[in-house]
Amino acid sequence: SQQGEEDPQALSIQEGENATMNCSYKTSINNLQWYRQNSGRGLVHLILIRSNEREKHSGRLRVTLDTSKKSSSLLITASRAADTASYFCAYILTGGGNKLTFGTGTQLKVEL
Amino acid sequence: EPEVTQTPSHQVTQMGQEVILRCVPISNHLYFYWYRQILGQKVEFLVSFYNNEISEKSEIFDDQFSVERPDGSNFTLKIRSTKLEDSAMYFCASKGGRLGVYEQYFGPGTRLTVT
Repeated sequence: SQQGEEDPQALSIQEGENATMNCSYKTSINNLQWYRQNSGRGLVHLILIRSNEREKHSGRLRVTLDTSKKSSSLLITASRAADTASYFCAYILTGGGNKLTFGTGTQLKVEL
Repeated sequence: EPEVTQTPSHQVTQMGQEVILRCVPISNHLYFYWYRQILGQKVEFLVSFYNNEISEKSEIFDDQFSVERPDGSNFTLKIRSTKLEDSAMYFCASKGGRLGVYEQYFGPGTRLTVT
């Protein structure tokens, strides 16, 4: 399967702590994106990192990409209860057209 | 901010019935997609559509499925004869046409329940 794996599957932290989620994939990619999904709702695009980039920031989000290890991480700093959601990595395979291949997702719970 | 919209939000249908799920992509986007997510599972690609034709489809997208862009704004997914296993959340997505733009923007989804 070309689909990626994310870990942890579930993460529970206290408000104010940082949350780190990891994504691994199996083959060469063009870029990698992170999405958030609140329970039973749609997918919200968070950030995109290209294969020639190593790190990217957007507000409280920091994404890294290590193409040699075929892995990416999403760090949410100073988490808030509103960050409670599932987080998915999704990527476009090199030569894979435009379709996104999604990872398994991490369920993040931020407690007050 | 422009967004992708989908209707209905929830559709209940009996096995064997035809359903049409509707999407209005972001107005200046050129690439359109359908994905689905069975409860508790990963999001799976179904089909991509560009320049009025299917550009790519997955194994899931068999002869029971079809897509159409009947006018300049709507993008539809039709399932001709629904099966129980078609029950899922169906997401429409769209992407701009500029070279090097890869972000896909998703609608809120249609929850399809086949009984």
